Amino acid sequence: DIVMTQSPDSLAVSLGERATINCKSSQSVLYSSNNENYLAWYQQKPGQPPKLLIYWASTRESGVPDRFSGSGSGTDFTLTISSLQAEDVAVYYCQQCYSTPLTFGGGTKVEIK
Amino acid sequence: QVQLVESGGGVVQPGRSLRLSCVASGFTFSNYAMHWVRQAPGKGLEWVALISYDGGNKYYADSVKGRFTISRDNSKNTLDLQMNSLRPEDTAVYYCARDRGYSGYDSFDYWGQGTLVTVSS
Repeated sequence: DIVMTQSPDSLAVSLGERATINCKSSQSVLYSSNNENYLAWYQQKPGQPPKLLIYWASTRESGVPDRFSGSGSGTDFTLTISSLQAEDVAVYYCQQCYSTPLTFGGGTKVEIK
Repeated sequence: QVQLVESGGGVVQPGRSLRLSCVASGFTFSNYAMHWVRQAPGKGLEWVALISYDGGNKYYADSVKGRFTISRDNSKNTLDLQMNSLRPEDTAVYYCARDRGYSGYDSFDYWGQGTLVTVSS
């Protein structure tokens, strides 16, 4: 099984500042046939289902603000919120879609400082 | 617009069975793989099962293998999860989610609101 490890568990960032969340997979999720990383990021607000933000490690889902960006390849990935807004308070999860069992990171809680 | 609506949750005793359903609308259901994902109270997300677009391939988390069965009816746009031999650790909100692709190896672009399953005596 591919283990997904997120860090930090939580972070507090001032409004307008940058938030960075890391995700590490226990093995590569880079699919060689199409050179895509099968890594997704989700945002979950209290009482709501998760929302897809980023797929293929760096492709923003339609309608997602451009302050959200994803980067990385192979086993190391980052979600960056370039200028934190109040509505970004949530838990963020990474997920590998490379192989079953599909696995999620433990989540990172983002709060306002 | 795409909608996924789960039903069938409730309180059930350990060892009993429950069947969850998810009705899809707003897209061509038969073109997409589908998943069940659960979230225990106050915990993170756990993938449970996936079924390919035509029902030909099914995969399960080890924690539910042999107890849960995923199925779909493309003529009725429904996704089901039959849960047998339920355990207290199966207590969670269960979400159905649409895969971006047909095989099940992509991200989940639409989610239902979830249905709560509580396993308790």
